[in-house]
Amino acid sequence: DAGITQSPRHKVTETGTPVTLRCHQTENHRYMYWYRQDPGHGLRLIHYSYGVKDTDKGEVSDGYSVSRSKTEDFLLTLESATSSQTSVYFCAIGTAQGVNTGELFFGEGSRLTVL
Amino acid sequence: RKEVEQDPGPFNVPEGATVAFNCTYSNSASQSFFWYRQDCRKEPKLLMSVYSSGNEDGRFTAQLNRASQYISLLIRDSKLSDSATYLCVVNRARKTSYDKVIFGPGTSLSVIP
Repeated sequence: DAGITQSPRHKVTETGTPVTLRCHQTENHRYMYWYRQDPGHGLRLIHYSYGVKDTDKGEVSDGYSVSRSKTEDFLLTLESATSSQTSVYFCAIGTAQGVNTGELFFGEGSRLTVL
Repeated sequence: RKEVEQDPGPFNVPEGATVAFNCTYSNSASQSFFWYRQDCRKEPKLLMSVYSSGNEDGRFTAQLNRASQYISLLIRDSKLSDSATYLCVVNRARKTSYDKVIFGPGTSLSVIP
């Protein structure tokens, strides 16, 4: 196992509330990613990080922010959750070599429902 | 048009059958290719890389056709445990970016006893 844990694993919230998902790794890898997975769309990149305090936007970043104050933690925040953000969120980590090859290790996912 | 496209299936095959999945990609500059496997309600996991010359891993064979921009995965002698969704993954070339990895929507396989 790649040593990635996500929390919470399941969450139900109401529209307009803030939500923070946490990804924690024990591998000391530099690269961390947040994806969302929806039927028919596959995994889509929300934000990624290539080091402490170094983050950048992915293809579906609107409505999301991230922070990485320590190598091991990458937080995804929905400032004001909307029903369109109901999804399964996966955190992934990659090695320096993996970034150039595409090999990613995923957490078990966080299932978010926004009512 | 999506950058990576797959037939969503589902493919329902009997045990022991041979099944093939195709995937097409639109960015001709893409450099690396992979198949991931995702079990129901689980996280994706790397199944195998796809090399230009084609490669095998046990019952699994991956092929790449750069001219036609498609990737294939062949599974021989299907097992019940092969039932999963298979994700085609492409590492598209970008000048300076780490968001290179693009996932297809996946093809669902059910192997039936």
